[in-house]
Amino acid sequence: AQKITQTQPGMFVQEKEAVTLDCTYDTSDQSYGLFWYKQPSSGEMIFLIYQGSYDEQNATEGRYSLNFQKARKSANLVISASQLGDSAMYFCAMSPMDTGRRALTFGSGTRLQVQP
Amino acid sequence: DAGVIQSPRHEVTEMGQEVTLRCKPISGHNSLFWYRQTMMRGLELLIYFNNNVPIDDSGMPEDRFSAKMPNASFSTLKIQPSEPRDSAVYFCASSPYPRTGVNSYEQYFGPGTRLTVT
Repeated sequence: AQKITQTQPGMFVQEKEAVTLDCTYDTSDQSYGLFWYKQPSSGEMIFLIYQGSYDEQNATEGRYSLNFQKARKSANLVISASQLGDSAMYFCAMSPMDTGRRALTFGSGTRLQVQP
Repeated sequence: DAGVIQSPRHEVTEMGQEVTLRCKPISGHNSLFWYRQTMMRGLELLIYFNNNVPIDDSGMPEDRFSAKMPNASFSTLKIQPSEPRDSAVYFCASSPYPRTGVNSYEQYFGPGTRLTVT
């Protein structure tokens, strides 16, 4: 079984500052993927970034980077230069890399509020 | 490019009625997922199709729920009869896997269907 833990129910950050959203995971799979999704108040789920368990370099996508520490089983999301539009719920998720078991397991989410 | 399309966006129905949710995945994607989001349980998988074949339906709550994927561009999730506890947002997602490539494991979500059963 897989488990995702997000320990920060809510976070505040000042506009233009960087923020780190925490995510730890537990799995017995050797090969897996880690994902972050953004859910604004409008409700859609927006894919942000992906990291494979065998990727040696941390993933980056624009202002988003994933700080992957395999030994610690953590996959924190770093948002640089926060913008007001970054205010949303953020979900960490993972799935095995196995055709038969591709379901995403989600954490409980972190609500980020960017203040002007 | 069109993303995942879901219809209807909102559905209000009375207990006992049949509800059908529809999904059109991104063209060329080989995997399709149905998820449900509630305040109590968060986001959880209902069923997963790979190349139109159901692979994992362990999340389907009970016999009242059924899902089909008659072709690569269409899927339905049916609830019959519906109950108030089925009220939730239902998401459909698609993924290009098992095509190899850097981005093949990503899942792209539709806008969701907000279902209210009274």
